[in-house]
Amino acid sequence: GENVEQHPSTLSVQEGDSAVIKCTYSDSASNYFPWYKQELGKRPQLIIDIRSNVGEKKDQRIAVTLNKTAKHFSLHITETQPEDSAVYFCAAIIQGAQKLVFGQGTRLTINP
Amino acid sequence: DAGVTQSPTHLIKTRGQQVTLRCSPISGHKSVSWYQQVLGQGPQFIFQYYEKEERGRGNFPDRFSARQFPNYSSELNVNALLLGDSALYLCASSQGVTSTTFGSGTRLTVV
Repeated sequence: GENVEQHPSTLSVQEGDSAVIKCTYSDSASNYFPWYKQELGKRPQLIIDIRSNVGEKKDQRIAVTLNKTAKHFSLHITETQPEDSAVYFCAAIIQGAQKLVFGQGTRLTINP
Repeated sequence: DAGVTQSPTHLIKTRGQQVTLRCSPISGHKSVSWYQQVLGQGPQFIFQYYEKEERGRGNFPDRFSARQFPNYSSELNVNALLLGDSALYLCASSQGVTSTTFGSGTRLTVV
């Protein structure tokens, strides 16, 4: 079955700097890759996603890139702000499987 | 428009007991999935239901069961609770894979 590896497990950056979180997946049939942000004690919330027919997608300060050949995808956050501090999860899904497979999560801390 | 609602929000049970968790999906969403999130880890898939039928099952023991009702709400049942079942149980509803929305979860503590 699908397996998703996420790195790093913790990331600390200065406010205003960029943060990058990387994930790799094992099943080449995976074709949808969402990213979720989870604040302490709250539910995971979708922040951006990308389909396998697209190489990059951007939404304001957040962008996701996908390399299908290498089977990895990355989350990029620019001009980080204190409210970006949270745990971020990548996930992958095979079309039709309806089962999200999550990475282990990255705890992002933005230092003022 | 209400999001995904789950009840109860918190629950404390003793080992060996049984628990039922409830979920109401977003209006119009026919698919409900259940995930277990142990502290410090990513959510793990338990079940997916669509139109009252089980469409997927994760690697969980038979102590875990679920069902979906005609109004698309769902229940997750866990029998013979173990300490290791302590976790945040998340319900997610979707129309298609790209519209998956999570509820706030039920935090289950087994003592």
